[in-house]
Amino acid sequence: GENVEQHPSTLSVQEGDSAVIKCTYSDSASNYFPWYKQELGKRPQLIIDIRSNVGEKKDQRIAVTLNKTAKHFSLHITETQPEDSAVYFCAPFTRGGADGLTFGKGTHLIIQP
Amino acid sequence: DTGVSQDPRHKITKRGQNVTFRCDPISEHNRLYWYRQTLGQGPEFLTYFQNEAQLEKSRLLSDRFSAERPKGSFSTLEIQRTEQGDSAMYLCASSFVLDTEAFFGQGTRLTVV
Repeated sequence: GENVEQHPSTLSVQEGDSAVIKCTYSDSASNYFPWYKQELGKRPQLIIDIRSNVGEKKDQRIAVTLNKTAKHFSLHITETQPEDSAVYFCAPFTRGGADGLTFGKGTHLIIQP
Repeated sequence: DTGVSQDPRHKITKRGQNVTFRCDPISEHNRLYWYRQTLGQGPEFLTYFQNEAQLEKSRLLSDRFSAERPKGSFSTLEIQRTEQGDSAMYLCASSFVLDTEAFFGQGTRLTVV
């Protein structure tokens, strides 16, 4: 199965600064790379995803970069705001893989006012 | 269609009792997933369905757990002879096809006392 690691486990940044969360995975056949955001007491929700044929994708303040050779992808949040405070999960997916979406342990992002 | 719905939202049961949870996916979604999430951890894959067929079951899923999806619509997850270690949030998610956004329900929080 897929081994997924996220770093850091906790990240505290000043409001307005940037945040970067990294996810490493083990299955070289992984072809879909989503990031989910989970606010306290709520369900996980997709915020951005990328496929293996693309190196970078951006959506307003959020971007994801993919390095398939090194088997890692990263979430970038610029101009952080208080509502960005949440737990973020990466969940690399392998088509035909045995375990569906394998989630990382999560990164708790804290935005300091 | 208002998204993925789960019932009940909360369940408290005594150790040794059986419990059953229900998930209603988004109507046109073929794939349905069950996950378990404990405090401070990412969602842990349990099983998934493609229409009514259960295609994969996690190695972590003991034989006390069973899931069904009759007619490829709603799904049920049953836990027999519950143990305190089963206490967790049980999340259901659905997606239209492989490697696309998975939409999560609000979850069922199980407490075994």
